[in-house]
Amino acid sequence: AQSVTQLGSHVSVSEGALVLLRCNYSSSVPPYLFWYVQYPNQGLQLLLKYTTGATLVKGINGFEAEFKKSETSFHLTKPSAHMSDAAEYFCAVSEGLSSNYKLTFGKGTLLTVNP
Amino acid sequence: NAGVTQTPKFQVLKTGQSMTLQCAQDMNHEYMSWYRQDPGMGLRLIHYSVGAGITDQGEVPNGYNVSRSTTEDFPLRLLSAAPSQTSVYFCASAGGGEAFFGQGTRLTVV
Repeated sequence: AQSVTQLGSHVSVSEGALVLLRCNYSSSVPPYLFWYVQYPNQGLQLLLKYTTGATLVKGINGFEAEFKKSETSFHLTKPSAHMSDAAEYFCAVSEGLSSNYKLTFGKGTLLTVNP
Repeated sequence: NAGVTQTPKFQVLKTGQSMTLQCAQDMNHEYMSWYRQDPGMGLRLIHYSVGAGITDQGEVPNGYNVSRSTTEDFPLRLLSAAPSQTSVYFCASAGGGEAFFGQGTRLTVV
């Protein structure tokens, strides 16, 4: 069985500061990992994904994440927060790229960006 | 370029009523799924389909039925609505290594 733990249900940063959203996963098979963003009253949009290969993954809007197998982590970072980054972020895992219709999500982290 | 379309966007039901949430995709994806989103719970998988005529249960299937008669459509039926089914429902279709989500249906059961 898979599981995802997102540390911190709410993260608040100042505009221009580093964004760090934490995600740890549990999976019995090599995981495929995803970060999604949800803006208010919207659906989910894929930020980035890790499948195989390079462990540092770059996504849209300046976000990146690093897969660390030894730490079972996939933390999301952005060097400089922008007001438009305020949203809820979800980490998710699937058992394979062809199984991404069966995603297991974390509980989400609400990011607030202060001016 | 519609992607995944869900209707209705909002719905209020009385306890015991039935209804169908509609989901349609125009990307010719074989895989489709339904999730519910509750505060502090993230998204949880209700049912999914790997192709027309093939469906299976996810993590929280009780009280919901699905069918998949065409590649494009994947409706979710609430047989007898309960207040515990108050939630935001998302349909997704998956292909090319990515899952695409609809805009959601906000359902309130009173």
